[in-house]
Amino acid sequence: GDSVTQMEGPVTLSEEAFLTINCTYTATGYPSLFWYVQYPGEGLQLLLKATKADDKGSNKGFEATYRKETTSFHLEKGSVQVSDSAVYFCALSEPGNTPLVFGKGTRLSVIA
Amino acid sequence: DTGVSQNPRHKITKRGQNVTFRCDPISEHNRLYWYRQTLGQGPEFLTYFQNEAQLEKSRLLSDRFSAERPKGSFSTLEIQRTEQGDSAMYLCASSISGTGEKLFFGSGTQLSVL
Repeated sequence: GDSVTQMEGPVTLSEEAFLTINCTYTATGYPSLFWYVQYPGEGLQLLLKATKADDKGSNKGFEATYRKETTSFHLEKGSVQVSDSAVYFCALSEPGNTPLVFGKGTRLSVIA
Repeated sequence: DTGVSQNPRHKITKRGQNVTFRCDPISEHNRLYWYRQTLGQGPEFLTYFQNEAQLEKSRLLSDRFSAERPKGSFSTLEIQRTEQGDSAMYLCASSISGTGEKLFFGSGTQLSVL
């Protein structure tokens, strides 16, 4: 079945450091790819998405590019802030808007 | 837009008891999802509705679990004869069909089975 694999956390960075969180996927079809974020005490919320190969999703300084050849959707940000501390989930959805399949999540802590 | 609301926030119960959770989605959203999340894991799909119709149930959902959305608005998730392994955060999400799975999540109901 479909699955999403994320790098293990926690990830601890200093403010203004560069962030990469790796995500690879296995899917039977041609899925849409997502990053969701969960800030402390809040529900998950969509951060960005991409629906086809080579698409780049971006939001709040975060970016991820849909790489079909490597089945990856790595999350990047050039300069993290303390307010980016959260748990980040990579997810996919097969065509037909099937329910999301999530990775295990990666906890990011940014220290001043 | 008041967001997705879940009640209760926390539930502690004894093994063997029945529990029911409620989810109120965003009012114009026709899709409603239930997920379960345990510590250190991502959300795991349980079931979803489009309007009042239950369109899909995970194979992981045992017969002790039942969900309803009788009028296509709020939904309830009932767990009968709870077991310690049912302890988890139960998440509800809603969306508008055709919007590419932009889900809006509630804060969840944390279930502890003693």
